[in-house]
Amino acid sequence: DQQVKQNSPSLSVQEGRISILNCDYTNSMFDYFLWYKKYPAEGPTFLISISSIKDKNEDGRFTVFLNKSAKHLSLHIVPSQPGDSAVYFCAAQHRNTGNQFYFGTGTSLTVIP
Amino acid sequence: DVKVTQSSRYLVKRTGEKVFLECVQDMDHENMFWYRQDPGLGLRLIYFSYDVKMKEKGDIPEGYSVSREKKERFSLILESASTNQTSMYLCASTSGGFWTEAFFGQGTRLTVV
Repeated sequence: DQQVKQNSPSLSVQEGRISILNCDYTNSMFDYFLWYKKYPAEGPTFLISISSIKDKNEDGRFTVFLNKSAKHLSLHIVPSQPGDSAVYFCAAQHRNTGNQFYFGTGTSLTVIP
Repeated sequence: DVKVTQSSRYLVKRTGEKVFLECVQDMDHENMFWYRQDPGLGLRLIYFSYDVKMKEKGDIPEGYSVSREKKERFSLILESASTNQTSMYLCASTSGGFWTEAFFGQGTRLTVV
């Protein structure tokens, strides 16, 4: 039962344009959300996070938006750069069992020069 | 910087062999995790541990076991390797508590022939 879903397996964007990666979740008890970036043959690296008390968090070119009523979050990358080409995973933590992470299936982003 | 180190980047093992994957973290983290990553399936949790000698099953524990004899070290054991265990294995650790990120190792690409 996939509680965190990334419905777009892949996304291609021109360099300099905005990349928008989407993530949906089903469990209303999730209250902390993270985005990870993964290059081939490497481990995921933390990118940005947001707690349920916020609806937006920004870090440089990366912004994460959270819509709790829709159980939806998105990652915006502006402007997109070729080095952003990677697989992006969203993850969620449960309010009561914060030790465990629930990951989506990933979206492969390709930024075309 | 937190460092999570996995003992091997690439492994090739034969069907039926007993396989040990080792993971060490240097930040005194309480929680450690083993995931496998497969195309289209994202990161799936195999086992996690929230303390020395403690372990919890994740979503796909069948065919695996784990050992945590020291706080910094978490081992994944494939009792009798099978071809369907060919995958990328990722170790992660977090400090105790909520709203914290997970730090990942570089991954071990295991091929069972």
